[in-house]
Amino acid sequence: AQKITQTQPGMFVQEKEAVTLDCTYDTSDPSYGLFWYKQPSSGEMIFLIYQGSYDQQNATEGRYSLNFQKARKSANLVISASQLGDSAMYFCAMREGGGNTNAGKSTFGDGTTLTVKP
Amino acid sequence: KAGVTQTPRYLIKTRGQQVTLSCSPISGHRSVSWYQQTPGQGLQFLFEYFSETQRNKGNFPGRFSGRQFSNSRSEMNVSTLELGDSALYLCASSLAGVTDTQYFGPGTRLTVL
Repeated sequence: AQKITQTQPGMFVQEKEAVTLDCTYDTSDPSYGLFWYKQPSSGEMIFLIYQGSYDQQNATEGRYSLNFQKARKSANLVISASQLGDSAMYFCAMREGGGNTNAGKSTFGDGTTLTVKP
Repeated sequence: KAGVTQTPRYLIKTRGQQVTLSCSPISGHRSVSWYQQTPGQGLQFLFEYFSETQRNKGNFPGRFSGRQFSNSRSEMNVSTLELGDSALYLCASSLAGVTDTQYFGPGTRLTVL
């Protein structure tokens, strides 16, 4: 079963507006980390933001924030004040901890292509 | 602090050959993971090494192998290359914990003819 689901293959946003990229995950492990990465057309994967499963507050990093709803198993990325340089593919990922056989494996979603319009 | 480096950046091989890719992690990082990215399959986990030991592996055939050296540098080897092995191979390093943030290198783009 797919563990990370990104339901938006493509998104458009106007420059300077905010946009939310959706991510839902599935795990029975109480210990896990959730990540968002940005991949521009150059191919390099750029780390954006991290949320631990035991973190009480939503993570924020500059213009990026993670809307973590643990009960709903969702970890949406919010980008405020979009810039043209934000146009890229965005991936949601999870690393499971604990003692299970998946410990350390990263599972990635299929990604969302974000296009920022001037 | 220098980021993750991967060599070579581009590689063209023919079917049946073998290839070795190299990854140098961020200084102080002891875990190195490898991923294959293709348009059809997305990002697929290959394996993770920590302290010179394979800590986990994905669902890839035995033609894909790796190792890690005492300085945490890692190599990945693919033997008997197939056309379907054409992909972007990404290496990522993290401190040590299984849920630590992974930082990626620029990738090696492998083309198999």
